[in-house]
Amino acid sequence: DSGVTQTPKHLITATGQRVTLRCSPRSGDLSVYWYQQSLDQGLQFLIQYYNGEERAKGNILERFSAQQFPDLHSELNLSSLELGDSALYFCASSVVAGGSANTGELFFGEGSRLTVL
Amino acid sequence: AQSVTQLGSHVSVSEGALVLLRCNYSSSVPPYLFWYVQYPNQGLQLLLKYTTGATLVKGINGFEAEFKKSETSFHLTKPSAHMSDAAEYFCAVNRKNSGYSTLTFGKGTMLLVSP
Repeated sequence: DSGVTQTPKHLITATGQRVTLRCSPRSGDLSVYWYQQSLDQGLQFLIQYYNGEERAKGNILERFSAQQFPDLHSELNLSSLELGDSALYFCASSVVAGGSANTGELFFGEGSRLTVL
Repeated sequence: AQSVTQLGSHVSVSEGALVLLRCNYSSSVPPYLFWYVQYPNQGLQLLLKYTTGATLVKGINGFEAEFKKSETSFHLTKPSAHMSDAAEYFCAVNRKNSGYSTLTFGKGTMLLVSP
């Protein structure tokens, strides 16, 4: 158990809909990262937050947005969903912005599997 | 920019055989290197990491990896495969003193272990 909690574990929805994925980082971790894992694209970095502020952006679509709240939990919002958005979405956390002791080590949750029909 | 190449999307071995999963990286500065494992329907779990010091790094479940700067490689090995090793393995790189940079992952190698 990494200590990172993600909900829901599974989500099935229809095209055009909007969903919210939630992540609670490990106790004491200030950074939250979101990754998308799909068969064709592999593991893609989406976005990172540190102590409530956006720190880095990766291949995140404009239809997607995220935020980190004062209690450090984070939400990833996916809107106008398309079939191609079906994927496993991972949240990861670390203590400092650049990873544990600045090595970049991340601790991953078990993911939220999104299926868009 | 940094990148990771994992040679072979699938590797098949017999139980008891040597496991070798290849990872090459590119980084403009000295890297931190990681191997993560993902078991079916689970998240990524850290196997081992290289940050500084000894270039041969030992991890969990009998795995080890060697950082070879001259070859820009960080291959993962295990002397004797076990059925429970069947999983997907990801190599990742981060820059030293990277501040706010993030891990860059390879595309993963699925390890298949046959009896």
